[in-house]
Amino acid sequence: EVQLVESGGGLVQPGGSLRLSCIASGFTLNTYWMTWVRQAPGKGLEWVANIKGDGSKKTYVESVKGRFTISRDNAKNSLYLQMDTLRAEDTAVYYCARDNSYCNSPVCYDVFDIWGQGTMVTVSS
Amino acid sequence: AIQMTQSPSSLSASVGDRVSITCRASQDIRNELGWYQQKLGKAPKLLIYAASNLQGGVPSRFSGSGSGTDFTLTISSLQPEDFATYYCLQDNNYPRTFGQGTKVEIK
Repeated sequence: EVQLVESGGGLVQPGGSLRLSCIASGFTLNTYWMTWVRQAPGKGLEWVANIKGDGSKKTYVESVKGRFTISRDNAKNSLYLQMDTLRAEDTAVYYCARDNSYCNSPVCYDVFDIWGQGTMVTVSS
Repeated sequence: AIQMTQSPSSLSASVGDRVSITCRASQDIRNELGWYQQKLGKAPKLLIYAASNLQGGVPSRFSGSGSGTDFTLTISSLQPEDFATYYCLQDNNYPRTFGQGTKVEIK
């Protein structure tokens, strides 16, 4: 079964750090880009960051640049999100998702086709 | 960043109704748009990609249309399991951006 399982969420004080993990199963992780998406309580979805299959390219939303780092360990079938200098506005459920490309030559479309169940991060004193 | 604006923000409908949700991009995104369904407390689910292509396993009552800046998700005959929040997502440029969501509620 193709599956993503996040872990590592919790309560952290403003200015603190947290590392989220996402374990993949049922597919070969290194052939896919991977993405983190978050959702603040009662709010909509926000794309946070993604990373290429070999880890050579990373992109971030402006609000987390310099504070969050996306990384992966394909040998461990794992995706990570290191979150530093956390702020109250980072409070959200964080989802990892497989960032797949559906290609209809010559165009490719990026889709988030597999999602984890999410892990809650609360930044509060 | 490309802004995605959905309308309406919420709607009430009955089982069997035809429902349409629109998404407008702040600039031309060709057909690089997907639609996602999210039920309460669950992860989102991909419904449609490339504006009009149905993801495998998604019922044919869902359809998408549009290109450029204006897009529509249509549910031809609303079913009880379709009550959820729907989001559009552009994959034309970074950062990827979602619409604010449309909550479909039972009338």
